[in-house]
Amino acid sequence: EAGVAQSPRYKIIEKRQSVAFWCNPISGHATLYWYQQILGQGPKLLIQFQNNGVVDDSQLPKDRFSAERLKGVDSTLKIQPAKLEDSAVYLCASSLALRQGETQYFGPGTRLLVL
Amino acid sequence: GQQLNQSPQSMFIQEGEDVSMNCTSSSIFNTWLWYKQEPGEGPVLLIALYKAGELTSNGRLTAQFGITRKDSFLNISASIPSDVGIYFCAGSLNAGGTSYGKLTFGQGTILTVHP
Repeated sequence: EAGVAQSPRYKIIEKRQSVAFWCNPISGHATLYWYQQILGQGPKLLIQFQNNGVVDDSQLPKDRFSAERLKGVDSTLKIQPAKLEDSAVYLCASSLALRQGETQYFGPGTRLLVL
Repeated sequence: GQQLNQSPQSMFIQEGEDVSMNCTSSSIFNTWLWYKQEPGEGPVLLIALYKAGELTSNGRLTAQFGITRKDSFLNISASIPSDVGIYFCAGSLNAGGTSYGKLTFGQGTILTVHP
C-alpha cells in the first residue's frame, strides 16, 4: 500500500515570496492533517480536514497560510507571503477516519527554507 | 495551551544498553502515543496507549500510560544501532467531536547508539 506522498521534498525561497505544498494521502483515508515542524521541535498541527471540510484550523496563521482539499483527496498548503520564521518541515498525515484509535500516517515532509 | 515536556533532550548510549525517556503534560490526555522519526522522514507510530495505567509492549519497546493521565514513559531494551532517531511523545484528548486526531507533540528525545 502506497504511503502519504508529498511534493516537493525541498524548497528554497526568499522572504515575501509565495510557496505551495502538495499532499496525496493514503487511498481511502478521509482525514488529512498538515503539521509544521520547526527544527528541534515536535510537529505542530496547523489544520485538519475531514473529507473536503475543515475540522480545525485554529493554529493556522490565516493572514498568510491557506489550505484546501477541494475533492476530499489531495490537499495543498500555501504560504503567501513567506517570512523567515516559516522555515520548517511541513508534514502531511492522513488517517482512515476521525475517531479514537485511528493511526495517523505521516508523509516524508517538505523542507522549506526562507532566505 | 497544552504543553508536553519530554526528557531527556538527547541520549548517547552503547549498543546493548537499555533506554528510558518520559513525557509530562500540564493537562490530562486520554491517549498517549510514541513516535520515532528518522532523518528525512515523517514520524512513525511505535506504541499507542488508551487507558490510564496501561502498559504496552512492541518488541523491545515498552510504554506506559501514567496513572495521573499527565505522563507517559517509553523504555527500549537492549538497544541496537538502528534504534537511532528522534523519539516523540504525543498526547490527544479524544473527547469526541472535533477533538479527535488533535495531537500535541513533545520536543523529542534524540537517541544515538554507539556500536
